[in-house]
Amino acid sequence: DQQVKQNSPSLSVQEGRISILNCDYTNSMFDYFLWYKKYPAEGPTFLISISSIKDKNEDGRFTVFLNKSAKHLSLHIVPSQPGDSAVYFCAARFSGTYKYIFGTGTRLKVLA
Amino acid sequence: DSGVTQTPKHLITATGQRVTLRCSPRSGDLSVYWYQQSLDQGLQFLIQYYNGEERAKGNILERFSAQQFPDLHSELNLSSLELGDSALYFCASSPSWGAEVGETQYFGPGTRLLVL
Repeated sequence: DQQVKQNSPSLSVQEGRISILNCDYTNSMFDYFLWYKKYPAEGPTFLISISSIKDKNEDGRFTVFLNKSAKHLSLHIVPSQPGDSAVYFCAARFSGTYKYIFGTGTRLKVLA
Repeated sequence: DSGVTQTPKHLITATGQRVTLRCSPRSGDLSVYWYQQSLDQGLQFLIQYYNGEERAKGNILERFSAQQFPDLHSELNLSSLELGDSALYFCASSPSWGAEVGETQYFGPGTRLLVL
């Protein structure tokens, strides 16, 4: 049972446009959500996070939105750059635990 | 460079064998996490150690075990290997026990295991 789902395995966006990556979750007990970026032959690197008490967090070109009623998380990248081409994982943490659940990832390709 | 190191980078072995994967966390980090990523799968949480003690367990098979040593490095032991154990194994570390909001995990480059 996949509790954190990234339904789009891949996404292509033109350079300079907005990239929107989506993530859905099923468990109301998640209290903290993160996005990681992964380049080939490297481990995932932390990108941005959001606590369940917020609905938006922004860091430069990256913004994460949380819609708790819809159990939906999205990552916006504006403007998209070719260097953003990577696999993006969303992750959620069970409240009061150290257990993180990761999605299956979305491969973003930014076209120059 | 995340500061987390993993050895070896690649490992090829046969079914029924046993292997040990090694992880050194970032300097000062007390928690180590192990994850498995199979083809087209997300990262599956296996186990967490905090300051030498097991803290949380995920979908870790009984054939797998781990430990964290006094110098905080960790080893993941995989035994009686099966073809399906072929995967990328990632280690991550964090400063504390991972329950703090805002705490981030830092991942190593992974060990790619191929069981033939």
